[in-house]
Amino acid sequence: SSELTQDPAVSVALGQTVRITCQGDSLRSYYASWYQQKPGQAPVLVIYGKNNRPSGIPDRFSGSSSGNTASLTITGAQAEDEADYYCNSRDSSGNHLKGVFGGGTKLTVL
Amino acid sequence: QVQLQQWGAGLLKPSETLSLTCAVYGGSFSGYYWSWIRQPPGKGLEWIGEINHSGSTNYNPSLKSRVTISVDTSKNQFSLKLSSVTAADTAVYYCARRDYYYDSSGYINWFDPWGQGTLVTVSS
Repeated sequence: SSELTQDPAVSVALGQTVRITCQGDSLRSYYASWYQQKPGQAPVLVIYGKNNRPSGIPDRFSGSSSGNTASLTITGAQAEDEADYYCNSRDSSGNHLKGVFGGGTKLTVL
Repeated sequence: QVQLQQWGAGLLKPSETLSLTCAVYGGSFSGYYWSWIRQPPGKGLEWIGEINHSGSTNYNPSLKSRVTISVDTSKNQFSLKLSSVTAADTAVYYCARRDYYYDSSGYINWFDPWGQGTLVTVSS
């Protein structure tokens, strides 16, 4: 299967830790990257590879991976972290090399 | 700092061809894949396809019959054409740079930066 599955919605209390997960067979072969998207804006890369953060991304964002599951963890969630989060990976099934996105997780900070 | 700026027609009629162009400013054009991604209103991201500086392409199989991505290295630009559009093609279309490398852990890739997005509406 070339799909990536994410929980549609997750909530977290301000200052607490939240984990957003992404599942798919392709994650056994390819690392996920993670994107934050706020309303009306283009997605922004927050994590790629094993656990790499682009410059400017706070260190409360971290990534991990095990088997067919990739995770994005926000340690000490802030109000500005409320957004949609998407995972992405590659997929080489069916003799097609293509990109694939998860359906997205809407994060609410309470 | 690399920046992507995109443009193209925002309103199309069914059966017309969508055409968007993305210009790359401030960085190398080679060594990356240049990608198109779309997002229907209120929905998630969908990868459309990509091209590298030498013209090698990969397309989403679900769109492959209608998609053409091309590159103009002399202008550091790449373009998307999607033929025979319908209302289902209404979306914000983004261009993005895909970077990648291999290490001992495996294959690592990511999209950064992204263009500002172009809303394309298909309506009669």
